[in-house]
Amino acid sequence: GAGVSQSPSNKVTEKGKDVELRCDPISGHTALYWYRQRLGQGLEFLIYFQGNSAPDKSGLPSDRFSAERTGESVSTLTIQRTQQEDSAVYLCASSPGGQSGYTFGSGTRLTVV
Amino acid sequence: AQSVTQLGSHVSVSEGALVLLRCNYSSSVPPYLFWYVQYPNQGLQLLLKYTTGATLVKGINGFEAEFKKSETSFHLTKPSAHMSDAAEYFCAVSRSGSARQLTFGSGTQLTVLP
Repeated sequence: GAGVSQSPSNKVTEKGKDVELRCDPISGHTALYWYRQRLGQGLEFLIYFQGNSAPDKSGLPSDRFSAERTGESVSTLTIQRTQQEDSAVYLCASSPGGQSGYTFGSGTRLTVV
Repeated sequence: AQSVTQLGSHVSVSEGALVLLRCNYSSSVPPYLFWYVQYPNQGLQLLLKYTTGATLVKGINGFEAEFKKSETSFHLTKPSAHMSDAAEYFCAVSRSGSARQLTFGSGTQLTVLP
C-alpha cells in the first residue's frame, strides 16, 4: 500500500487479557518503529527494527511487551496481561533508512478497562 | 543523549496571525531535526526536516523552520495562520549518521481562533 497501515484502529480489552497490534510498513522500508502516545503526552519510543539486525528493544516498558518482525514486512506488537496504564495510542512508523524521516500509521487506540 | 523541549503545550493564535512554535534540543552530536503535525484521529505527518546544508527549511502548508546552532533551537513558523492549521505539532531530534529512533518533544497544541 501507499502508506503505513495499522490494525485494529481501536481496541478495547479487559484488564489481564493479551492484545496483538499489527503494522504493515511501506513496501521496501527497511526500518520500522513502534511508539506509544499516552493521552496528553508526547511519543514514547518502544522498539526499532532495522532489516535483519537485532531489534533495539530499549524502549519497551516491561517484559509484558514484545514485538516481532519477519524480514522487512509486517510487525506485531504484543502486550500480555494488559494493565490500565497500557491504555494509549500505539503508533507504528517505517522509513527507508538513514535520515529520510519516517512515515507514521494512524495508530491503534488501545483502551484497557 | 538527546532531548527535545517544546515551550508551551498550548498556543492560540488568531486566523491570519503569525504562528511561532518553539523547539529547543540538546544533542551530543550534530542533530537531524524534524517537525511533525498530527491532526485529530490521524497519524503523524512530516512537515519538514533539517539534515545538513541550508539552515532555513521550508515545509508543506507554508511552514518553515530555522536551525540555529548557537541557540540550539529549531522553531517552527508560518506567516499567516489558517483554521486548518489547528493540530498538534511535535518537534523531534535524531543523531546524525545513525539510523536510530527519533526523540520527540511533548507536543504543542495549536488553536486557531476565527
